[in-house]
Amino acid sequence: QKEVEQNSGPLSVPEGAIASLNCTYSDRGSQSFFWYRQYSGKSPELIMFIYSNGDKEDGRFTAQLNKASQYVSLLIRDSQPSDSATYLCAASSGAGSYQLTFGKGTKLSVIP
Amino acid sequence: GAVVSQHPSWVICKSGTSVKIECRSLDFQATTMFWYRQFPKQSLMLMATSNEGSKATYEQGVEKDKFLINHASLTLSTLTVTSAHPEDSSFYICSASLTSGYGYTFGSGTRLTVV
Repeated sequence: QKEVEQNSGPLSVPEGAIASLNCTYSDRGSQSFFWYRQYSGKSPELIMFIYSNGDKEDGRFTAQLNKASQYVSLLIRDSQPSDSATYLCAASSGAGSYQLTFGKGTKLSVIP
Repeated sequence: GAVVSQHPSWVICKSGTSVKIECRSLDFQATTMFWYRQFPKQSLMLMATSNEGSKATYEQGVEKDKFLINHASLTLSTLTVTSAHPEDSSFYICSASLTSGYGYTFGSGTRLTVV
């Protein structure tokens, strides 16, 4: 059974702080990992994906992957109230039309 | 690029009627589409995987005769909720695998309310 685990939160951070979102996965065969943001009542939107160990930065977002520990994280620097949403972590067994296994999501609240 | 258009965005129907939801990939060909259901404050639940030109693969516990999926072309997949009941009220979201192979792009979702 492939599982992706996330702390459901809510995670509250003050505006301007760094928000750290964590995710673990059970399937060692997972190769690609994705972070989606979902606003209430809306569908998920892709923020970043990562498939190599280490860090990947895109603007205020940094994804971190540690395959040995089966751990993925997303850092959001200079958090803004507009970042308040549920963040979904997902894992894929490979490129192409493979299924994604989603975590249940972490709700982030950025306090002005 | 990689836009998935989903219609309708919301629908209210009477119990016992059927509702069709369309999902179109606008600027790419999607050989595989996925249908999810999401109840309030819960995560995405994969219902079925839709492959162009073949029968959909349903997840355990999802009634294939109730949730009819058709993927007749590389740009269109439809989900029909047959004989809808109030417990089918949910947020239905389709997604398509990106041709780059990395991640999905999601449709905007359909809020179904059965009264």
